[in-house]
Amino acid sequence: DAGVIQSPRHEVTEMGQEVTLRCKPISGHDYLFWYRQTMMRGLELLIYFNNNVPIDDSGMPEDRFSAKMPNASFSTLKIQPSEPRDSAVYFCASSLSAATGELFFGEGSRLTVL
Amino acid sequence: DAKTTQPPSMDCAEGRAANLPCNHSTISGNEYVYWYRQIHSQGPQYIIHGLKNNETNEMASLIITEDRKSSTLILPHATLRDTAVYYCIVRVEFSGSARQLTFGSGTQLTVLP
Repeated sequence: DAGVIQSPRHEVTEMGQEVTLRCKPISGHDYLFWYRQTMMRGLELLIYFNNNVPIDDSGMPEDRFSAKMPNASFSTLKIQPSEPRDSAVYFCASSLSAATGELFFGEGSRLTVL
Repeated sequence: DAKTTQPPSMDCAEGRAANLPCNHSTISGNEYVYWYRQIHSQGPQYIIHGLKNNETNEMASLIITEDRKSSTLILPHATLRDTAVYYCIVRVEFSGSARQLTFGSGTQLTVLP
């Protein structure tokens, strides 16, 4: 398996623009997580899905952020409109079950909002 | 989940064992100790986890004290590629709900040539 695949790896955009980050989890993994990492706040969980259903979105910073998982092999994290403070590395991770804390992370998408 | 305390940074000579400590004095009986690492510009990588017994895999060994209030991650023969931030996390394990991993600041391990 190729692991968790994220795209784009790097995104530079201007304030106010819409940003869409994409994630393909490992096949067979029922859980998908979106994390954000900044120097100030470290790694934070934004939202996670179980069997394509959002379970906990309490970490989503505000209504400008939305996440979807239309099927078991694809998820998106959208920011609209983007702001400079959204600049961060966004990681997607997947895991096999609820019991395990063994998450498999992607390489991340580095977002810069000018 | 219980909080953990780790030194912010450590150095280790290449080829020597790297021993990374973690304090989790408020850990509960049903909380596991997890270790992850994050190499620069990469996503976090799972290393190992345990409940009360010592654990070993191809990457590392995990030593948990008898009272479970602290643990040590051991990289037996550190290489330059082990330079990374190492995170110690405690987490409740149970089925039916995926409790998130809470990453702290971790320990920056630098392996020196």
